[in-house]
Parts: sequence; C-alpha cells; structure tokens
Amino acid sequence: DADVTQTPRNRITKTGKRIMLECSQTKGHDRMYWYRQDPGLGLRLIYYSFDVKDINKGEISDGYSVSRQAQAKFSLSLESAIPNQTALYFCATSDSRVGTEAFFGQGTRLTVV
Amino acid sequence: GQNIDQPTEMTATEGAIVQINCTYQTSGFNGLFWYQQHAGEAPTFLSYNVLDGLEEKGRFSSFLSRSKGYSYLLLKELQMKDSASYLCAVSLDRGSTLGRLYFGRGTQLTVWP
Repeated sequence: DADVTQTPRNRITKTGKRIMLECSQTKGHDRMYWYRQDPGLGLRLIYYSFDVKDINKGEISDGYSVSRQAQAKFSLSLESAIPNQTALYFCATSDSRVGTEAFFGQGTRLTVV
Repeated sequence: GQNIDQPTEMTATEGAIVQINCTYQTSGFNGLFWYQQHAGEAPTFLSYNVLDGLEEKGRFSSFLSRSKGYSYLLLKELQMKDSASYLCAVSLDRGSTLGRLYFGRGTQLTVWP
C-alpha cells in the first residue's frame, strides 16, 4: 500500500459543483501539502499545514479550501469548481524532525466540464 | 516573487551523459531538490543539496553553487527508462528541516536508442 494515498484518482465534475479531494498518510509526518500541476507550469503550492492546528495559503489558494482533520489526513475542497481548475493534484508530506525530502501521493486527475 | 528556470526539453542517446541546469532566485533558501517524474505519475526524490558542491548517488549527481543561484543534475550512462521530466525545486523556509517547495517548470528529457 502507498504511504501517501489520494482519493479519488480520477474525477470528472461539472462547473459549480463542490468537490473534495482527500489525502491520507501512514508515514507519521507532521507536514502536509497540496500542489497543483498544469502542463508547462510545473507544480504550484495551493495550501500547506505544518501541524494539525496550522493551515497556510500557498501561491494559488483562491477558489480552494483545506481541512486538516488529523495528523494523517489533509483534504482539499473546491467550493464551486470551474474549468480552469482542471489539473493534476498532488498531496505531499514531510517530516520536520528529520526529513530532507517530500513524499508525494499518486495524484488526482480532476476534470471540470 | 520566486523564480526558478530550467530548460523545457532536452534529448540524448542511450549510454550518454546529460546535464540539466537550474538557476534560481528565491526569497528564502533551505536546500535545492531534484525530482524525477514520469508522465502521469508522482514525482520521486532524486537528490538534495544544501551546501555548495557535488553530491553523487549512483548514476545521478547534483551540484549546487549558492552564490551563483545555480544547480545542475548530471545523469550518466543514460537508459531508456530515464526518459522523464526532471523537476528542480527550492525549499523556502529557512531554519526548518523541510518546508514549502517551490518548483521550476520541469525539463522533459527524452532518451533515444
């Protein structure tokens, strides 16, 4: 089983719908991140959380919200999806105590029609 | 703002050596990372440099010059499976083990037989 699991893996939704992407991890890491990847634009940070009570906006947080339900769970919501939110979304984790790398989930491919 | 530049595309032949350059100008610096990403898959960690110099790991080496804001990833004895996108990323949060990563747009490497 993957250490960082994202659900769903693929999703097609309609404009205006609310959608939640979920991320759970078994690595015991305290820090979690949501990134978005678009062709030709690389990975961009949406939100990040350094512990359960800490939530911070990244580069491109408009139109998104997050919830850190537990140390192991970090969800990303699109309150009212729009077509330009069509992208590949990645959750990642890191360990503030010893880590020097971030571990990524398998990604969620979201299409807004 | 943050700026990380790397070439968009590179090609090389099997068995050859290729060097992928990355230059950066960022508001903070706590290390430079290289990730490999195959199409549609999660990025996977290749290397980490926080001090100037060369880090070698098997067929892969990474170099950092902090004064020049410059890094390169060197891939030796290229194999077909090395065809992928290579992502340069800077950790922005000084004083922490690993915080936010700011990514370049990635270099798509194609290895020909």
